[in-house]
Amino acid sequence: GNSVTQMEGPVTLSEEAFLTINCTYTATGYPSLFWYVQYPGEGLQLLLKATKADDKGSNKGFEATYRKETTSFHLEKGSVQVSDSAVYFCALRAMTAGNKLTFGGGTRVLVKP
Amino acid sequence: DSGVTQTPKHLITATGQRVTLRCSPRSGDLSVYWYQQSLDQGLQFLIQYYNGEERAKGNILERFSAQQFPDLHSELNLSSLELGDSALYFCASSPSGTIYEQYFGPGTRLTVT
Repeated sequence: GNSVTQMEGPVTLSEEAFLTINCTYTATGYPSLFWYVQYPGEGLQLLLKATKADDKGSNKGFEATYRKETTSFHLEKGSVQVSDSAVYFCALRAMTAGNKLTFGGGTRVLVKP
Repeated sequence: DSGVTQTPKHLITATGQRVTLRCSPRSGDLSVYWYQQSLDQGLQFLIQYYNGEERAKGNILERFSAQQFPDLHSELNLSSLELGDSALYFCASSPSGTIYEQYFGPGTRLTVT
């Protein structure tokens, strides 16, 4: 079946540090890939997405590239801020599974000033 | 604000009881999805409705049921509650068609005591 594996947290960083959160997936067909962010006490917000191989999703300084050869969609940000402290979820949507999202376990990121 | 509303925000109830969670999708969205977020299971897809009809089912227990009404709002009914049902329940909505991303509500936190 479809699955998403992402690095366990928590990840603790200083402000302006470089952030990488690894995400790999297993899916049939050609899934769409997403990163969602959950700020404390809030719901999930779509951060970025990529729908085909080699697509790069980007938003708010975050980037992720759909790598079919390594089945990965790692999230990166060059200079994090305290306001980036949140839980980040990698997810996939496989066409063979309708429109449901399959999520990774989430990675908590804490950015210290 | 995603435009998806969920009520109530918090719910505390006892084992064996029955509760109903409500979701109003974004204006114009025909699909509604329910997800459960728990510490041990992570974020899991429960069920999807499209324009009043069940479209897909995930890891939803038989004690749980859902429906989508003609005005497109949806309700998730949880019965014979157990301690393990304590979780954050999210509703998401999307327009028709599988190419669209899902927009999540703020969630309902259910605590079973």
